[in-house]
Amino acid sequence: DAGVIQSPRHEVTEMGQEVTLRCKPISGHDYLFWYRQTMMRGLELLIYFNNNVPIDDSGMPEDRFSAKMPNASFSTLKIQPSEPRDSAVYFCASSPLTGPANYGYTFGSGTRLTVV
Amino acid sequence: AQSVTQLGSHVSVSEGALVLLRCNYSSSVPPYLFWYVQYPNQGLQLLLKYTSAATLVKGINGFEAEFKKSETSFHLTKPSAHMSDAAEYFCAISNFGNEKLTFGTGTRLTIIP
Repeated sequence: DAGVIQSPRHEVTEMGQEVTLRCKPISGHDYLFWYRQTMMRGLELLIYFNNNVPIDDSGMPEDRFSAKMPNASFSTLKIQPSEPRDSAVYFCASSPLTGPANYGYTFGSGTRLTVV
Repeated sequence: AQSVTQLGSHVSVSEGALVLLRCNYSSSVPPYLFWYVQYPNQGLQLLLKYTSAATLVKGINGFEAEFKKSETSFHLTKPSAHMSDAAEYFCAISNFGNEKLTFGTGTRLTIIP
């Protein structure tokens, strides 16, 4: 298995632009999680899906952030408009239905976003 | 609410010395506990997990951790540090029926040659 695939690996954009981050989970995994990692706040859960349905988006910082999972093999996290304080590493992770709490997560390599 | 506290944001040990990374948890229900490792510019990789079976858990790369309920701890150890162990280590917590992992703030491990 290729693992969790995230693209792009690096993104540099200007303030005000739209940014779209992409994630392909491991085939057969039912849960998908989006995390953000910063020096100041550590790892923060933004949103997670079960069978393509958003379950908890309480971590999404504001309305500028949105996430979708149109099918079992693809998810996007969109920021519009982007701001410098959105600069961070964004991770996607997936887990099987047997229980993320029991199994743990498999993380992608992350997208390093820089908003200038 | 559940949480984990990692004592020491930076730990340095000499190559060949014992590695001890500390994690204490807070939970009103029996916890599931995890250790993850993050190498530079990479995602997090699962080292080991405790899910209410044996209290001494062995993971990859020679690491192990012991669940101690009386001390609410889940410290990570390795008898002999190797240069390749230099990374950031995260403790995380969840519980039965809870899909979310809550992570600690991480401990950066430096190995001194």
